[in-house]
Amino acid sequence: DAGVIQSPRHEVTEMGQEVTLRCKPISGHNSLFWYRQTMMRGLELLIYFNNNVPIDDSGMPEDRFSAKMPNASFSTLKIQPSEPRDSAVYFCASSPRQDEKLFFGSGTQLSVL
Amino acid sequence: AQSVTQPDIHITVSEGASLELRCNYSYGATPYLFWYVQSPGQGLQLLLKYFSGDTLVQGIKGFEAEFKRSQSSFNLRKPSVHWSDAAEYFCAVAGWGTDKLIFGTGTRLQVFP
Repeated sequence: DAGVIQSPRHEVTEMGQEVTLRCKPISGHNSLFWYRQTMMRGLELLIYFNNNVPIDDSGMPEDRFSAKMPNASFSTLKIQPSEPRDSAVYFCASSPRQDEKLFFGSGTQLSVL
Repeated sequence: AQSVTQPDIHITVSEGASLELRCNYSYGATPYLFWYVQSPGQGLQLLLKYFSGDTLVQGIKGFEAEFKRSQSSFNLRKPSVHWSDAAEYFCAVAGWGTDKLIFGTGTRLQVFP
């Protein structure tokens, strides 16, 4: 299996622009997670899905952030409009079932100028 | 609420020396505990996990961790560090029956030859 695939690897954009991050989980995994990593706050859970349904989005910083999982093989995290403080590495992870380990993608490095 | 504290932001050791990375958690019930390692520019990889049973768990790459309920700790250890162990290490906690994994802020390990 190719593992969790995230795209793009790097994204540079200007403040106010819309940003869409993409994730393809490992086939057969039921749970998908979006994390944000910054030097100041470390790894923060933004949202997670179970069987394509959002279970907990309490970590989503504000209404500018939205996430979707239209099917079992694809998820997006959208920021609209983007701000410089959104600059971070965004990780997607999936797991086969509850209480199993997470498999992480390589992350998307987002820079908002 | 669940939380994880890694009190050491940065640790430096000599190659061949022993290592202990500290992790304290806060959770009202029996937690699931994890240690992940992150190499530069990469996603996170699971080193080991504790769900129940023997409180001393063995992981990959020669790492082990001990769950001490009385101290709310899950410290990671390695008897002899190799230069390739230089990375960032994250402790994480999840509650039974939930997928929500909460990470500590990480400890950056530097290894000198």
